[in-house]
Amino acid sequence: QQQVKQSPQSLIVQKGGISIINCAYENTAFDYFPWYQQFPGKGPALLIAIRPDVSEKKEGRFTISFNKSAKQFSLHIMDSQPGDSATYFCAALGGSNYKLTFGKGTLLTVNP
Amino acid sequence: DTAVSQTPKYLVTQMGNDKSIKCEQNLGHDTMYWYKQDSKKFLKIMFSYNNKELIINETVPNRFSPKSPDKAHLNLHINSLELGDSAVYFCASSQDGGAYGYTFGSGTRLTVV
Repeated sequence: QQQVKQSPQSLIVQKGGISIINCAYENTAFDYFPWYQQFPGKGPALLIAIRPDVSEKKEGRFTISFNKSAKQFSLHIMDSQPGDSATYFCAALGGSNYKLTFGKGTLLTVNP
Repeated sequence: DTAVSQTPKYLVTQMGNDKSIKCEQNLGHDTMYWYKQDSKKFLKIMFSYNNKELIINETVPNRFSPKSPDKAHLNLHINSLELGDSAVYFCASSQDGGAYGYTFGSGTRLTVV
């Protein structure tokens, strides 16, 4: 049972474009939704996170949109840059044992 | 000044061997984790320790045994290694149940031949 579903699996965007990655969750006990960025050979690094009491959070070019009723959240990367090319993971914290459960990841490629 | 450090970074070993991976965090966090990332990059939690106490033990073969000598260290020992154990293993730490996210190490790439 996959508790956090992420799409698309891969995404190619031109420099300056908007990258959008979507996630959906099933467990209403989740109460913290972070996004992680992973470069090759590195560990996942926390990028931005949101709690279910707000619908949007923005940090620089990165924005999370959160829809509690639909149990969906998404990452928007504005003015995408080649340096943003990485694998992005959505995650949800909570549920049994109160652990961080990850989506399957999205490989983002930003072409110059 | 590395927050979560793992050693070794690479580990190549033969089937049937026993190996250990070490992890240390200097963030003062109270909880540490082991995650496995498979060839498709899927991250799955294996174990979690809070102040040296095991609190999460997912469905992992008992060939895998975590040990936490203190709250800054969490080691992973693997007995009788199998080809399917090949993966990248990440250590992570958090404070307050992860309310501010987990901090991950840079991973140990284990290859079983």
